[in-house]
Amino acid sequence: DAGITQSPRHKVTETGTPVTLRCHQTENHRYMYWYRQDPGHGLRLIHYSYGVKDTDKGEVSDGYSVSRSKTEDFLLTLESATSSQTSVYFCAISEAGVYYGYTFGSGTRLTVV
Amino acid sequence: QQQVKQSPQSLIVQKGGISIINCAYENTAFDYFPWYQQFPGKGPALLIAIRPDVSEKKEGRFTISFNKSAKQFSLHIMDSQPGDSATYFCAASLSLQGAQKLVFGQGTRLTINP
Repeated sequence: DAGITQSPRHKVTETGTPVTLRCHQTENHRYMYWYRQDPGHGLRLIHYSYGVKDTDKGEVSDGYSVSRSKTEDFLLTLESATSSQTSVYFCAISEAGVYYGYTFGSGTRLTVV
Repeated sequence: QQQVKQSPQSLIVQKGGISIINCAYENTAFDYFPWYQQFPGKGPALLIAIRPDVSEKKEGRFTISFNKSAKQFSLHIMDSQPGDSATYFCAASLSLQGAQKLVFGQGTRLTINP
């Protein structure tokens, strides 16, 4: 989607290795989110950010950490990847205010072997 | 209480028919109810959304019906077309530190047969 880019698009990694996924936006939106998508579970919130250096946990945050040192970048790190973290990861951004909705990136398909 | 339950998991509709997807929630603190459409290999895209003080919202062939007392809402797609074949997610929003924390339903895979 225009204005939000995720990298890499695909990654295969081994169990126990650290992995960092990147979300970059050019919209200057304050709020950024990381979700994972798994069959039968919809999308579940991992972490979100409400400003530079301001982050908080979502419902499935165990095993994940995030950082936001600049408005445009939000990084998701799997400290020690496990097979249960095989998933499609989506970054999203939103403007201030309740009723604007999210803009999602195109996703990163991560496979942990 | 944070869950949003969506049904059916999959739906097959003939071209020109009406597609109906239902969602239910428990948390009365939710303050915004969007629907997202997702095509294979793409991120979800906002389709239509409703505020809890409105009972119905229509945009083209897409309508959200919202029943606050029953804590249920549904998406109706009129005159369904093959291009509507996609996965649809309902969601409910909680505002936290100004952010919208969206809780998603499990998704419905819609297939429109030509």
